[in-house]
Amino acid sequence: EAGVTQFPSHSVIEKGQTVTLRCDPISGHDNLYWYRRVMGKEIKFLLHFVKESKQDESGMPNNRFLAERTGGTYSTLKVQPAELEDSGVYFCASSGRTGSLSGYTFGSGTRLTVV
Amino acid sequence: GQQLNQSPQSMFIQEGEDVSMNCTSSSIFNTWLWYKQDPGEGPVLLIALYKAGELTSNGRLTAQFGITRKDSFLNISASIPSDVGIYFCAGQNYGGSQGNLIFGKGTKLSVKP
Repeated sequence: EAGVTQFPSHSVIEKGQTVTLRCDPISGHDNLYWYRRVMGKEIKFLLHFVKESKQDESGMPNNRFLAERTGGTYSTLKVQPAELEDSGVYFCASSGRTGSLSGYTFGSGTRLTVV
Repeated sequence: GQQLNQSPQSMFIQEGEDVSMNCTSSSIFNTWLWYKQDPGEGPVLLIALYKAGELTSNGRLTAQFGITRKDSFLNISASIPSDVGIYFCAGQNYGGSQGNLIFGKGTKLSVKP
């Protein structure tokens, strides 16, 4: 089966611009998660979708970040306007069952650089 | 919020040597996980631990879930060049949202042939 796909793999944008990251989970996986790793720091949870609903968005840094999962399939994460501190690697993960950690598959990530 | 202290931050070892890394927390977790990230890829699950005191092996990897539920270690025996990468520990919030993982900062492993 295809894994979790993220697009783009890299993005370099100027401060103040808008960027949209996309994640395609494994087909049939209801749970979709977004995480972020800032250089040299830990991977931090951003939010969790169950189908199209936001189950937990406690990790979203501020209102410049907007995540959507229309139709419960792919998800987008928009940053508008981007700031320098938003640079990092954004990971998406999906799982079939809530709490199923063995089936928690990460994508390769999108490396975002804000200059 | 909850934090995991992972050490060491980086390791440079000779091929064939054994490796040990660990994570500690001031909070209890009911699940501990160890992931490996290769360059340009996402984290891949190596070992999952679900019971306090549990010792689990996966090939040359061995991990243990501390009795207090506040720590875990990962050992790699007889390292090989493909072990190079960043190793992350992660814990699941006890009673928190299912799937919300707390990660350590990672241990970067370099193996010299």
